[in-house]
Amino acid sequence: KQEVTQIPAALSVPEGENLVLNCSFTDSAIYNLQWFRQDPGKGLTSLLLIQSSQREQTSGRLNASLDKSSGRSTLYIAASQPGDSATYLCAVSGTASKLTFGTGTRLQVTL
Amino acid sequence: KAGVTQTPRYLIKTRGQQVTLSCSPISGHRSVSWYQQTPGQGLQFLFEYFSETQRNKGNFPGRFSGRQFSNSRSEMNVSTLELGDSALYLCASSLLAGEANYGYTFGSGTRLTVV
Repeated sequence: KQEVTQIPAALSVPEGENLVLNCSFTDSAIYNLQWFRQDPGKGLTSLLLIQSSQREQTSGRLNASLDKSSGRSTLYIAASQPGDSATYLCAVSGTASKLTFGTGTRLQVTL
Repeated sequence: KAGVTQTPRYLIKTRGQQVTLSCSPISGHRSVSWYQQTPGQGLQFLFEYFSETQRNKGNFPGRFSGRQFSNSRSEMNVSTLELGDSALYLCASSLLAGEANYGYTFGSGTRLTVV
């Protein structure tokens, strides 16, 4: 059974800092890994999708890496802004045609 | 292009009632999945439909059911509502390549409150 863990559970940083969110998964037989952002009471916004054959993806200030063999992914956020404050969720997609989510990292970027 | 549309956005129901939630996927996406999000359990998979067939089901009681129509729109039904069914219900659509997929796009969710 796939299990996804995200560390840390919560993080508070001052504006402008670079930060790294971690995600680990137990079963390396995945099709892809997706990072989402969720604002309070809202749905999920997809940030980055990494296919299993890829090592990383970039979008603006965001960079996500994937090491399938070790079951790890990181989301790097450069020059953080208050608008980045949200919960970040990592999810993996495998043979069971579903996403398995981590519990998320709640990020607060302070002025 | 239009995203994933979920209706209604908010619902308040009484224990014992039933409820139906609707999800319209992105045009061309034939896979629709449903998830329940609660503070205690996080995001949990309910079921997935592809071409009107349920392909996978999560560990939820039979009170939770769904269906998909020929236009790929999906509905989820919960019968005999319990207080613990209060949650944000999220629908996601995906473009599939065989068993694999090109990522999931989520709707804004339906917030269900059972009183």
